[in-house]
Amino acid sequence: QSVLTQPPSVSGAPGQRITISCTGSSSNIGAGYDVHWYQHLPGTPPKLLIYDNSNRPSGVPDRFSGSKSGASAFLAITGLQAEDEADYYCQSYDRTLSASPFGGGTKLTVL
Amino acid sequence: QVQLQESGPGLVKPSETLSLTCAVSGYSISSGYFWGWVRQPPGKGLEWIGSIFHSGTTYYNPSLKSRLTLSVDTSKNQVSLKLNSVTAADTAVYYCARPRSAYLLPFDSWGQGTLVTVSS
Repeated sequence: QSVLTQPPSVSGAPGQRITISCTGSSSNIGAGYDVHWYQHLPGTPPKLLIYDNSNRPSGVPDRFSGSKSGASAFLAITGLQAEDEADYYCQSYDRTLSASPFGGGTKLTVL
Repeated sequence: QVQLQESGPGLVKPSETLSLTCAVSGYSISSGYFWGWVRQPPGKGLEWIGSIFHSGTTYYNPSLKSRLTLSVDTSKNQVSLKLNSVTAADTAVYYCARPRSAYLLPFDSWGQGTLVTVSS
């Protein structure tokens, strides 16, 4: 059971917009620590999608965006494409644990 | 561009020690950065194992801390993981990773991962 809570699954039709939440506490996200998002496809290493809450590494389409509010963070994907079907994970630092946990992961299905 | 490659036994017996190395190329470990380990058990999510700074400072997942040792070998330019007293629950794909900056997170360079199965 991770200290960062994500919905197990989300789905959307091609072209639609979806959001994935990552809910923490005053020990991690709520304490001001940055949130990072990864996309993980089977058989490949995770790919950094969003860093420091809302920044995109070069090469990541601007269809992906991140935000943070209080003890929660959000990943939004607009203009859903079939290739976006993957598992998505948030990660942050937790000062009580002195650790860098991942969220439980969210499986995105493109209908 | 930094490249990471994990290696180690693909099969480990229960109660024994799992040992993996991460060979780093394209960057000298002694120059800085944290180096992290992440694993994914079959059918489950990503789990942060721990991170080690080039100087030896470590951060461990509390749930693994009692069994885990991370180390760096600057002469070989590699990072190592040892997890003792393994059980079937330690079966996973193990990744080594490096953050994009001098901080602990986020990881933006990853090895391809290596599957370790714990079974007799």
